[in-house]
Amino acid sequence: GENVEQHPSTLSVQEGDSAVIKCTYSDSASNYFPWYKQELGKRPQLIIDIRSNVGEKKDQRIAVTLNKTAKHFSLHITETQPEDSAVYFCAASSSGTYKYIFGTGTRLKVLA
Amino acid sequence: NAGVTQTPKFQVLKTGQSMTLQCAQDMNHEYMSWYRQDPGMGLRLIHYSVGAGITDQGEVPNGYNVSRSTTEDFPLRLLSAAPSQTSVYFCASLAAGADTQYFGPGTRLTVL
Repeated sequence: GENVEQHPSTLSVQEGDSAVIKCTYSDSASNYFPWYKQELGKRPQLIIDIRSNVGEKKDQRIAVTLNKTAKHFSLHITETQPEDSAVYFCAASSSGTYKYIFGTGTRLKVLA
Repeated sequence: NAGVTQTPKFQVLKTGQSMTLQCAQDMNHEYMSWYRQDPGMGLRLIHYSVGAGITDQGEVPNGYNVSRSTTEDFPLRLLSAAPSQTSVYFCASLAAGADTQYFGPGTRLTVL
């Protein structure tokens, strides 16, 4: 069945360093790839997304890259700050199906 | 706009009890879904609906029922709760033709 694999499951970085989280999807029909941030006890919040007609997208310190051929996409956070500490989820979806398949999450800890 | 709302925030049940988790949205979104979130397993789709009167099963539908009599409401019913249903439950909604899914605040359910 459709599957999204996410790595690593935990990631610790020093404040100011970069963090990279990687996801691989199985369904070649997937064309929308959002990233969600979830703080402890809160709901998932969309932080950035990318569609399959784009290879990279940036929003300040956050960027996402997509390799359709290899079926993988990555989240890059530069100049990490303690408030970036959270669980991050990737997901894949096909437009019009309204079904998201989520990765299992990455717990990011930014050490001050 | 209140967005997506869920009640209750917390619930403790005994094995075999039934209950309904409420979800409502005021954004006139056609698509609504229920997820459960368990440690290390990400968000798994339980049931979803693409409009009033239309529901379908997701990845983990067993033990749960849904109905969608109005655009605004999408309740999730547990007919006979089991300890394996201890989880955090999130409702989400999405507008037709859009990609971005919005989550409710979640319900933390414990089944003893």
